Amino acid sequence: DAKTTQPTSMDCAEGRAANLPCNHSTISGNEYVYWYRQIHSQGPQYIIHGLKNNETNEMASLIITEDRKSSTLILPHATLRDTAVYYCIVKLDNYGQNFVFGPGTRLSVLP
Amino acid sequence: DTEVTQTPKHLVMGMTNKKSLKCEQHMGHRAMYWYKQKAKKPPELMFVYSYEKLSINESVPSRFSPECPNSSLLNLHLHALQPEDSALYLCASSQDQGMGYGYTFGSGTRLTVV
Repeated sequence: DAKTTQPTSMDCAEGRAANLPCNHSTISGNEYVYWYRQIHSQGPQYIIHGLKNNETNEMASLIITEDRKSSTLILPHATLRDTAVYYCIVKLDNYGQNFVFGPGTRLSVLP
Repeated sequence: DTEVTQTPKHLVMGMTNKKSLKCEQHMGHRAMYWYKQKAKKPPELMFVYSYEKLSINESVPSRFSPECPNSSLLNLHLHALQPEDSALYLCASSQDQGMGYGYTFGSGTRLTVV
């Protein structure tokens, strides 16, 4: 069972920042937060992950609260191609723990 | 090569047919996975292979039979499926089992059982 809760859906205007929240209030100290997205009819795609500190890469930024009970994925300038289902996943980064997808947030980027 | 290739992309089969799904990667990844995804649902883990050995079977019915002939290939053999088995079947790989940031997914095989 998923350890995260996310809004079912969100809209964002093209060119604006998309901020996708995720609650993970039961996260343990050594569990990472991962974000993947799935564009229609494709396989999921890795976006970013983090443990405690904020992270940024060429795709997005990940902001994790100090108590680590929630996080926000930021797409700084959303485009129509960012329309997808975004999954927030919490797991240990080691052997034996399955990668469990929750329902995710369906982001629609509007022109 | 940084891709996971799945074939075929689409498959229609009868309930008495035997068919196979194929997954291939050449990234040197030692863990490979099968996921099943129903419409508007998240992917669900079916099987995990680690170093060519079956590591996890998530209580999948025996009409689904995985096979890992070598470190680059993963097959899913299908026999006597039911219409409710119609779904998108996704293959993924990672450098080692359980590394969350390193999963590479294929585009999937869309299976329809008639």
